[in-house]
Amino acid sequence: GAVVSQHPSWVICKSGTSVKIECRSLDFQATTMFWYRQFPKQSLMLMATSNEGSKATYEQGVEKDKFLINHASLTLSTLTVTSAHPEDSSFYICSARGLASGIYEQFFGPGTRLTVL
Amino acid sequence: GQNIDQPTEMTATEGAIVQINCTYQTSGFNGLFWYQQHAGEAPTFLSYNVLDGLEEKGRFSSFLSRSKGYSYLLLKELQMKDSASYLCAVSDSNYQLIWGAGTKLIIKP
Repeated sequence: GAVVSQHPSWVICKSGTSVKIECRSLDFQATTMFWYRQFPKQSLMLMATSNEGSKATYEQGVEKDKFLINHASLTLSTLTVTSAHPEDSSFYICSARGLASGIYEQFFGPGTRLTVL
Repeated sequence: GQNIDQPTEMTATEGAIVQINCTYQTSGFNGLFWYQQHAGEAPTFLSYNVLDGLEEKGRFSSFLSRSKGYSYLLLKELQMKDSASYLCAVSDSNYQLIWGAGTKLIIKP
């Protein structure tokens, strides 16, 4: 199956710093990438949808100036959490949509666990 | 509005069979997905249904009825490693996934 990589897999940072998370589709071109956040014992929450070469579409309640998304190529999207605070500590998962066996399927990265001290 | 409903938690015995139901109301339909998610990990793809009927894949099967807005995931010969959350997601008219809250499946020996 298609592979999506995510880096780093975990990060611990001090409050006020910025953290960048990379998401790559390794063996297919992803015209659309999604960023999710998941708090403990809760379902995935879509943060934003990004299409290659255009601005990301943010879900209601997600601050676009705090969560900067760049989708510069068909294989790379980045999420930057600016001025992170402890309440931003969460599991961040990216997903890339691509064609596999004739259907559009979402392939998930392994996730990045962010802990803000 | 768009809505996906599935039970919060289910318990089953090792070796048994369990059925996890999912009902949905969405704007448009381009298929229904089931994902498995172990604690602390990203979801992994289990199945995709876009036409009515049963899709079988080893110990797992998924059923869809579009007229009823209903799907189920059937797990046979349960193993302890099947303890996980099972997420139902529907692809709407914009191919965006609408997620259910997930069903936590607990397997007991």
